[in-house]
Amino acid sequence: DVKVTQSSRYLVKRTGEKVFLECVQDMDHENMFWYRQDPGLGLRLIYFSYDVKMKEKGDIPEGYSVSREKKERFSLILESASTNQTSMYLCASSSHPGRNTEAFFGQGTRLTVV
Amino acid sequence: AQSVTQLGSHVSVSEGALVLLRCNYSSSVPPYLFWYVQYPNQGLQLLLKYTTGATLVKGINGFEAEFKKSETSFHLTKPSAHMSDAAEYFCAVRTPGNQFYFGTGTSLTVIP
Repeated sequence: DVKVTQSSRYLVKRTGEKVFLECVQDMDHENMFWYRQDPGLGLRLIYFSYDVKMKEKGDIPEGYSVSREKKERFSLILESASTNQTSMYLCASSSHPGRNTEAFFGQGTRLTVV
Repeated sequence: AQSVTQLGSHVSVSEGALVLLRCNYSSSVPPYLFWYVQYPNQGLQLLLKYTTGATLVKGINGFEAEFKKSETSFHLTKPSAHMSDAAEYFCAVRTPGNQFYFGTGTSLTVIP
């Protein structure tokens, strides 16, 4: 089974802190994604990566950055956390079409910024 | 740009009744289509997917969906709702550029 593991289920951080959310997948997937989930808004793409050291902005990249130094790991960084970044963060991975076509999700990190 | 529309942010059905969750997509090329389910404070779990071939797709837990190209729809159904089906459901499309776009979700309540 594909496993996508997010480092924390729940996090509480203070405004202005630098926050790291880590995600690791064990299926040698090329693509990795970070989404933010808010009630009524569904999942919104923050960043995605289709290869090591490659990244593309999604729909809401402001206030976030990412790092992909190894194929299996994709980190989301909040440079200076703000209360409007309180949300559920979901990491996902997928292969190129031709293998499995769906995205596999981690269990999510619920981040609260106070 | 791709978009996915889920009609009805909240759907309530009685236990044993038909479940119908609606999804329409916009795409200039035949996409890959998915339904995911999310239980509280969990990640998303794949219910079913359409890639190519048969337009009626069966998934886990008795769910199925039909791809209708002429209507750009991919509605999710289950003949008989169970209490354990109460969850949030998301329709998604995968683009040729390997991005996934999601609808805003439908919260399903099952009434005993």
